[in-house]
Amino acid sequence: TQLLEQSPQFLSIQEGENLTVYCNSSSVFSSLQWYRQEPGEGPVLLVTVVTGGEVKKLKRLTFQFGDARKDSSLHITAAQPGDTGLYLCKSGGSYIPTFGRGTSLIVHP
Amino acid sequence: NAGVTQTPKFQVLKTGQSMTLQCAQDMNHEYMSWYRQDPGMGLRLIHYSVGAGITDQGEVPNGYNVSRSTTEDFPLRLLSAAPSQTSVYFCASSAPGRYEQYFGPGTRLTVT
Repeated sequence: TQLLEQSPQFLSIQEGENLTVYCNSSSVFSSLQWYRQEPGEGPVLLVTVVTGGEVKKLKRLTFQFGDARKDSSLHITAAQPGDTGLYLCKSGGSYIPTFGRGTSLIVHP
Repeated sequence: NAGVTQTPKFQVLKTGQSMTLQCAQDMNHEYMSWYRQDPGMGLRLIHYSVGAGITDQGEVPNGYNVSRSTTEDFPLRLLSAAPSQTSVYFCASSAPGRYEQYFGPGTRLTVT
């Protein structure tokens, strides 16, 4: 089973600040997904990265996949209160995927 | 499309009681799965199914049963509830060969 380490575990920032969260593994990812989970709801997919070195942008969110496909990062520019939630990375195929424990982000107005 | 639906939203059980958590999807997805989410533990896979009539165990299957008689439905049964099963349960589905999973809104279960 592939283990995913996410850091930091918690992040509390002011509106307008930038932040980066990380997802690392000791083994190579076949693919990696980032999800956001808002309180009281299920996770919602943000992005899937497949190719080493890949960079994807989703408005103020930038996702990077490491060249060796063992790590990924999510950078948020000018965070807003609506970005508050739990950010989860997920690896593996469809049958038995592995989730990281998540980064809990709070953005204060 | 309703996506993935789960019922009930909240449930309180006494130790030893049994119950079924319902999950349904209307996207004709072959793959469905059940997770539990506990503080600091992330999402852990309980059981999954790759199609009607086919189920298999995930990471934490003990104390839970599943069946898949139709493509749409994937109920999770707690045979004899224990306090350790207090958690939030999520059902998810995905299409064959697709990475993205669609999650239901969750069921918050408390066992006293």
